[in-house]
Amino acid sequence: SQKIEQNSEALNIQEGKTATLTCNYTNYSPAYLQWYRQDPGRGPVFLLLIRENEKEKRKERLKVTFDTTLKQSLFHITASQPADSATYLCALVADSNYQLIWGAGTKLIIKP
Amino acid sequence: DAMVIQNPRYQVTQFGKPVTLSCSQTLNHNVMYWYQQKSSQAPKLLFHYYDKDFNNEADTPDNFQSRRPNTSFCFLDIRSPGLGDAAMYLCATSRPDRDGQPQHFGDGTRLSIL
Repeated sequence: SQKIEQNSEALNIQEGKTATLTCNYTNYSPAYLQWYRQDPGRGPVFLLLIRENEKEKRKERLKVTFDTTLKQSLFHITASQPADSATYLCALVADSNYQLIWGAGTKLIIKP
Repeated sequence: DAMVIQNPRYQVTQFGKPVTLSCSQTLNHNVMYWYQQKSSQAPKLLFHYYDKDFNNEADTPDNFQSRRPNTSFCFLDIRSPGLGDAAMYLCATSRPDRDGQPQHFGDGTRLSIL
């Protein structure tokens, strides 16, 4: 079955360092992958999208990579700040081309 | 600002007492989704509307129903809530005429069952 895995353990990072989050998937060939941020008690907020023919995408301090051979996406936050603390979810497009299959997210904690 | 608004933010109901959650959007998006999310879990799609076409997920319990009276509004009805239905319910919209368009979420309704 199709499966998306994100590290269920919280990731603790010192302020100023680069945080790297991982999204692995199996039994699927997505056309694109999206990353969202979710704060406690709030809905997810879209951050970045990367297509299958793109290796890397950047937006300010954020960088996403997509390796279709490894079936993996990495999400990087450089110069991390305590305000970056949140849960980050990855999502893949489903066969319908607009529905998403979601990972459970990784909680990121940036320590001052 | 265009947005997705869910009401109420918090809802408490009694076991077995019907409850309705509402969602409105000013984005004019074709598709509206209802998700259920429990703590530390992925959002679970319950159903979605593409315009007026209703699409139910195979594993969505019959206890859950939805209505979309117009483009802007969508409702989630839980006919007889059980303790296992306590969760965050998220409404989202998207405009799938372009590949990869993100989903836009409301801030959810936290449902508690007494």
